[in-house]
Amino acid sequence: DVKVTQSSRYLVKRTGEKVFLECVQDMDHENMFWYRQDPGLGLRLIYFSYDVKMKEKGDIPEGYSVSREKKERFSLILESASTNQTSMYLCASSLGTRTYEQYFGPGTRLTVT
Amino acid sequence: KNQVEQSPQSLIILEGKNCTLQCNYTVSPFSNLRWYKQDTGRGPVSLTIMTFSENTKSNGRYTATLDADTKQSSLHITASQLSDSASYICVVSALTGGGNKLTFGTGTQLKVEL
Repeated sequence: DVKVTQSSRYLVKRTGEKVFLECVQDMDHENMFWYRQDPGLGLRLIYFSYDVKMKEKGDIPEGYSVSREKKERFSLILESASTNQTSMYLCASSLGTRTYEQYFGPGTRLTVT
Repeated sequence: KNQVEQSPQSLIILEGKNCTLQCNYTVSPFSNLRWYKQDTGRGPVSLTIMTFSENTKSNGRYTATLDADTKQSSLHITASQLSDSASYICVVSALTGGGNKLTFGTGTQLKVEL
């Protein structure tokens, strides 16, 4: 079974803090994704990566950066957390980009106060 | 602009009953359509994926249909169980030069009661 794990299920940070969200997949998938999920908005793509050290902006990259130093690990970084970044963050991975399924992690609920 | 609309927004049914969830999309060029189930506090889990040439796909008590002409899909749940209580998300994929771009619906929140 594919397993995607995220470093924290719940996280509370203060405004202005630097926040790291970690995601690890164990199936040697090429592609990894970071989404945020907010009520009434559905999942929105923040960043994705097709390969190590490669990253592409998604639909809402502002205020975020990412790092992929190893194939299995994809990190989302909030350089200076703000209250409007309070959300559920979901990581996903997939073998390919066409009909391949995306496998999601359990999510990290981040609260910025 | 690519969009995915789901209806109803929420639904309550009795255990053992059937239900059908709807998904309308305006995504182009179409690549595939996926239905995901998301339990509260969890990540989404794939139920089905259909390409342009497929109009029905089943996964146990879940049956998805696709009408690519009218750009509509439905997810039918048979003999519902309490464990079916979840959000069901329709995701439509568009072909782009760099691969597939996904557009997510906002989901239908299903509650199954005794």
